[in-house]
Amino acid sequence: AQSVTQPDIHITVSEGASLELRCNYSYGATPYLFWYVQSPGQGLQLLLKYFSGDTLVQGIKGFEAEFKRSQSSFNLRKPSVHWSDAAEYFCAAIFMDSNYQLIWGAGTKLIIKP
Amino acid sequence: EAQVTQNPRYLITVTGKKLTVTCSQNMNHEYMSWYRQDPGLGLRQIYYSMNVEVTDKGDVPEGYKVSRKEKRNFPLILESPSPNQTSLYFCASRRRTGVSSYNSPLHFGNGTRLTVT
Repeated sequence: AQSVTQPDIHITVSEGASLELRCNYSYGATPYLFWYVQSPGQGLQLLLKYFSGDTLVQGIKGFEAEFKRSQSSFNLRKPSVHWSDAAEYFCAAIFMDSNYQLIWGAGTKLIIKP
Repeated sequence: EAQVTQNPRYLITVTGKKLTVTCSQNMNHEYMSWYRQDPGLGLRQIYYSMNVEVTDKGDVPEGYKVSRKEKRNFPLILESPSPNQTSLYFCASRRRTGVSSYNSPLHFGNGTRLTVT
């Protein structure tokens, strides 16, 4: 069955440090890939998406993600985090035979140290 | 302002007492969906709707009902809530369905935190 895995439940990063959140998917064909962010008490907001082409995609709020087919990964990165980046981050995918429904990872909670 | 509105934000109820969580979107979106969010499990889809009068089960439909009589509204009904339905619920919508749906982001409501005692 198709799945999306986020191996880290929590990540703590100092303000100003770089960030990488991991996401792996399991399936044969490349799915459409997304990263969403959920700020406390809010719904989810799309950060970026990958469908094809350039494997490095830019998103909002200074985030980027790199698709690596060989590793079935779509990791999210930011060069320098701000306290306002503290949130929960979800990786998601649309697989070709999932009736175009999103399959979600379990989420990674980002904690920012001052 | 384009938005998805859920009500109520917080709801505490007792086992067996029927409840409805409303969801309304003002973007004329065809697609709407309900998710529940539980710690460590991410979002799990309950039901979704591709258009008016078209609904389908998601991954965890047991104990829930939905209806889509109008394009803008997609209420979630719990006929006989149980404690294992205590969760954070999100409604979401997007403009497209089918093959081109990947190109249209999901818009989420702010969530409904339900507690069933």
